Amino acid sequence: DVKVTQSSRYLVKRTGEKVFLECVQDMDHENMFWYRQDPGLGLRLIYFSYDVKMKEKGDIPEGYSVSREKKERFSLILESASTNQTSMYLCASRQQRNSPLHFGNGTRLTVT
Amino acid sequence: RKEVEQDPGPFNVPEGATVAFNCTYSNSASQSFFWYRQDCRKEPKLLMSVYSSGNEDGRFTAQLNRASQYISLLIRDSKLSDSATYLCVVNEANQAGTALIFGKGTTLSVSS
Repeated sequence: DVKVTQSSRYLVKRTGEKVFLECVQDMDHENMFWYRQDPGLGLRLIYFSYDVKMKEKGDIPEGYSVSREKKERFSLILESASTNQTSMYLCASRQQRNSPLHFGNGTRLTVT
Repeated sequence: RKEVEQDPGPFNVPEGATVAFNCTYSNSASQSFFWYRQDCRKEPKLLMSVYSSGNEDGRFTAQLNRASQYISLLIRDSKLSDSATYLCVVNEANQAGTALIFGKGTTLSVSS
């Protein structure tokens, strides 16, 4: 079974802090994704990566950056956290372009 | 912007009922299709991939209609444990490879 692990289930940060969300997958998947999910808005793609050191902006990249230095790890960075970044963050990976996504169990981030 | 539309529900059904959800997509070049299940405050989990010929997994049947651009999910003999939100996901080709488009989900509530 594919395992996608996110480093924290719950996180509380202050406005202006730099926040790192880590995601690791154990199936040698090339593609990795970061989404946020908010009530009424569904899942929105922040960034994705097709391979090591590659990254592409998704639909809502503003205020975020990512890092993919190793194939198994995809990090999401909030450069200066703001209250409107309070959300559920979901990491996912897939084997190839037509494969289904496998999600981590999410990080619920609260910015106060 | 390509869209994936789902009836948000909620669908309230008694145990044992048969219930069907539809999901329409706008991009005729879409390549692969999936149904995910999401429980409250949890991550989405893959329920079924949807194949052109239709496919069945126990009480669940998924179908694809390319001509009318929709996919469907049929749940027979509903159980209380089927209560969840069901997300439709469409994988469409674009210049960067493929893009996963999520519906906002259909909520199912099964009662005794």
